[in-house]
Amino acid sequence: ENVLTQSPGTLSLSPGERATLSCRASQSVSSSYLAWYQQKPGQAPRLLIYAASTRATGIPDRFSGSGSGTDFTLTISRLEPEDFAVYYCQQYGSSPPGLTFGPGTKVDIK
Amino acid sequence: QVQLVESGGGVVQPGGSLRLSCAASGFTFSSYGMHWVRQAPGKGLEWVAFIRSDGSTKYYADSVKGRFTISRDNSKNTLSLQVDSLRAEDMALYYCARGYSAWSVDCWGQGTLVAVSS
Repeated sequence: ENVLTQSPGTLSLSPGERATLSCRASQSVSSSYLAWYQQKPGQAPRLLIYAASTRATGIPDRFSGSGSGTDFTLTISRLEPEDFAVYYCQQYGSSPPGLTFGPGTKVDIK
Repeated sequence: QVQLVESGGGVVQPGGSLRLSCAASGFTFSSYGMHWVRQAPGKGLEWVAFIRSDGSTKYYADSVKGRFTISRDNSKNTLSLQVDSLRAEDMALYYCARGYSAWSVDCWGQGTLVAVSS
């Protein structure tokens, strides 16, 4: 099973600052089957990035994804008030087949 | 617009069963693979199961294999999850979600709550 580790656990920043979130896999993620989600309290998750670096429909360009293999990064170039939330990475593996989510990074207001 | 509405959650004793349902609308349901993802109170996301668009292939998390069964009825635009032999650790909000490109998930319902208590 491919285990995802996210760091840091909590990121305390101010609006306008840059946020860099890390997701590391215990095994290589095939074909960049890596996605990022945002979740706010009381809401369902929202897809931000898929295939490691492709923004989902309607996602602002301040969100960007990068990486390959076992190391992936979500960058928020300038934090807006609505960006304070929990962020999860997720990968698909074929052995066994299925999805795995990371434990999440909470971005809160400093 | 795309809508996924879950139902069927409730309070059940350990060892009990429930059938969760998800009514899909606003898109061609039969063209998409579908997932169930759960979230225990105050915890992170855990993938539960996947079913291919035509129902021919199903995948399960090890934690639920042999106890949960995913199914779909494309004629009724409905996704289901039969949950048997429930344990305390199965208590969670269960989301129905649409599969998207590169094995991501692009649309989520609001969830149905399963509580396991004696």
